[in-house]
Amino acid sequence: QKEVEQNSGPLSVPEGAIASLNCTYSDRGSQSFFWYRQYSGKSPELIMFIYSNGDKEDGRFTAQLNKASQYVSLLIRDSQPSDSATYLCAVRLGGFKTIFGAGTRLFVKA
Amino acid sequence: ETGVTQTPRHLVMGMTNKKSLKCEQHLGHNAMYWYKQSAKKPLELMFVYSLEERVENNSVPSRFSPECPNSSHLFLHLHTLQPEDSALYLCASSQAPGTGINEQFFGPGTRLTVL
Repeated sequence: QKEVEQNSGPLSVPEGAIASLNCTYSDRGSQSFFWYRQYSGKSPELIMFIYSNGDKEDGRFTAQLNKASQYVSLLIRDSQPSDSATYLCAVRLGGFKTIFGAGTRLFVKA
Repeated sequence: ETGVTQTPRHLVMGMTNKKSLKCEQHLGHNAMYWYKQSAKKPLELMFVYSLEERVENNSVPSRFSPECPNSSHLFLHLHTLQPEDSALYLCASSQAPGTGINEQFFGPGTRLTVL
């Protein structure tokens, strides 16, 4: 059974702090890794993707991938109350199969 | 606003009803997906179509029947559903594998309630 694990949270951080969201996956053949943000009652929105080991930065967001440890993370710098949402980690195994984690709820306190 | 639209946004149906969910993508993608999202559970992939051909069918009960008449449209036909089928049904689209990263873009979803 291919799995993607995330801490369900809630993760609570003060405004302006760094929020760190983590994800582990079980399939070593996984090819691409995605972070989606989902506001309550809305659909998932793609934030970032990464497919090579290391860091990838986009504005306040940094995705980190460590394939040896089967670990992917998302850092949000200068967290804002508008970042409060559920963050879904998704792993593409190959072909059309993408497995999603259950998500981590983030709460940014003003 | 995304390039993937879904109708209806909300649906309440009885267990004996027949209804259909519709999805349309305006992104020029050639793969479309149906997912089920239940509370506090990961998204469950139901069906995948690529170039109008079904390529994934994840042990979904036969009371859910997909249809993909062309690469821009996807339907999910529902009949004799159960209360446990109540969930958010999400449509997504992407390019087919081998043509890039294949990130998926989601529609707004249909909130389905089965009475």
